[in-house]
Amino acid sequence: AQKVTQAQTEISVVEKEDVTLDCVYETRDTTYYLFWYKQPPSGELVFLIRRNSFDEQNEISGRYSWNFQKSTSSFNFTITASQVVDSAVYFCALSAGPNNAGNMLTFGGGTRLMVKP
Amino acid sequence: EPEVTQTPSHQVTQMGQEVILRCVPISNHLYFYWYRQILGQKVEFLVSFYNNEISEKSEIFDDQFSVERPDGSNFTLKIRSTKLEDSAMYFCASSLTYEAFFGQGTRLTVV
Repeated sequence: AQKVTQAQTEISVVEKEDVTLDCVYETRDTTYYLFWYKQPPSGELVFLIRRNSFDEQNEISGRYSWNFQKSTSSFNFTITASQVVDSAVYFCALSAGPNNAGNMLTFGGGTRLMVKP
Repeated sequence: EPEVTQTPSHQVTQMGQEVILRCVPISNHLYFYWYRQILGQKVEFLVSFYNNEISEKSEIFDDQFSVERPDGSNFTLKIRSTKLEDSAMYFCASSLTYEAFFGQGTRLTVV
């Protein structure tokens, strides 16, 4: 069974602060994929990033960066110099299983980020 | 940019009625999914579909639910006899390999 835990249910920051969203996962599979999705107030789920279990390189995309550590089963997401438009619910998700693709996503409970001006 | 589209965006139905939620996945994708999100809660997997058959389903996806890909473009979720607890946002998603791209959702309200 897979499990994703996002311990922070809600975070509030002031614009331009850096913020890190935590994600801890559990799986018995040796090959798995980790994702972050953003759900803005409009409700849709927007794909942000995928990482493979065999690639622990951190990734940076503009103000976003992701830190993947297999040793602690964590896949944390940092927003640098946060902006009001970053206000959303962020979901971490895990995909694992016998297939190379098409496996279901197991989502964490989400972290609601509020960025105040 | 290709996207997953869902119709309707909002549906209100009476308890016991049948509803069909419709989705047009991204055209070259191979895997199709339905997820649901009860208000304020986590996103839950319902079913995945590949090569014209269900590849995986969750405990939520009981005999009241069915999926169909009636033609080359549409992917539907049918709930035969809706219950109050079926009220949720239903997301369709599709993927070519690992990344699932989601539609904007259909908010189903059962009254």
